Amino acid sequence: EAGVTQFPSHSVIEKGQTVTLRCDPISGHDNLYWYRRVMGKEIKFLLHFVKESKQDESGMPNNRFLAERTGGTYSTLKVQPAELEDSGVYFCASSRQGRAEAFFGQGTRLTVV
Amino acid sequence: LAKTTQPISMDSYEGQEVNITCSHNNIATNDYITWYQQFPSQGPRFIIQGYKTKVTNEVASLFIPADRKSSTLSLPRVSLSDTAVYYCLVGNYGGSQGNLIFGKGTKLSVKP
Repeated sequence: EAGVTQFPSHSVIEKGQTVTLRCDPISGHDNLYWYRRVMGKEIKFLLHFVKESKQDESGMPNNRFLAERTGGTYSTLKVQPAELEDSGVYFCASSRQGRAEAFFGQGTRLTVV
Repeated sequence: LAKTTQPISMDSYEGQEVNITCSHNNIATNDYITWYQQFPSQGPRFIIQGYKTKVTNEVASLFIPADRKSSTLSLPRVSLSDTAVYYCLVGNYGGSQGNLIFGKGTKLSVKP
């Protein structure tokens, strides 16, 4: 069974540019989560999809961040325009409905310069 | 969600048993206790979950006293590859509720 995959693994962009991160969850996992770790800080929850619906987006920092999960399969997280403080590692995780074990991807390291 | 407190770091030697204790005084009735492991440059990996008493799997054991205000993750005979950060999480992670709250974790260093 393939794990959670994230693309790209690393992205370096200039302040003001747009970046789109992609997450492919494990097949059959209805739950999809986005997290991020800013340098030196704890891993923070961003949002949670159940299939294509946003269940909880309380962790999204501001309206420069837009997450989508069309069709309830893969998800994208767009940052537009990117700011320096958006630098960090963005993790995606998925889980089956009713199951607590979440499977994480390797993360996308975003560097905004 | 209940706040957790764990040691910032621990050192151990290969072959020893390592016990990492987590405090969660405000745990709610519906909350489960879950532990994740994270290696550098990787995403967290689920280790074990429990509600009360003792849970054991092929990787670790989880001891939870009757009052559930703390829990202890036990790693038998650690090896160098067990060097990682270990996170204790408390919450109701079943059903549609799923946002995991990560604390600072415990950085375990295993030495030869």
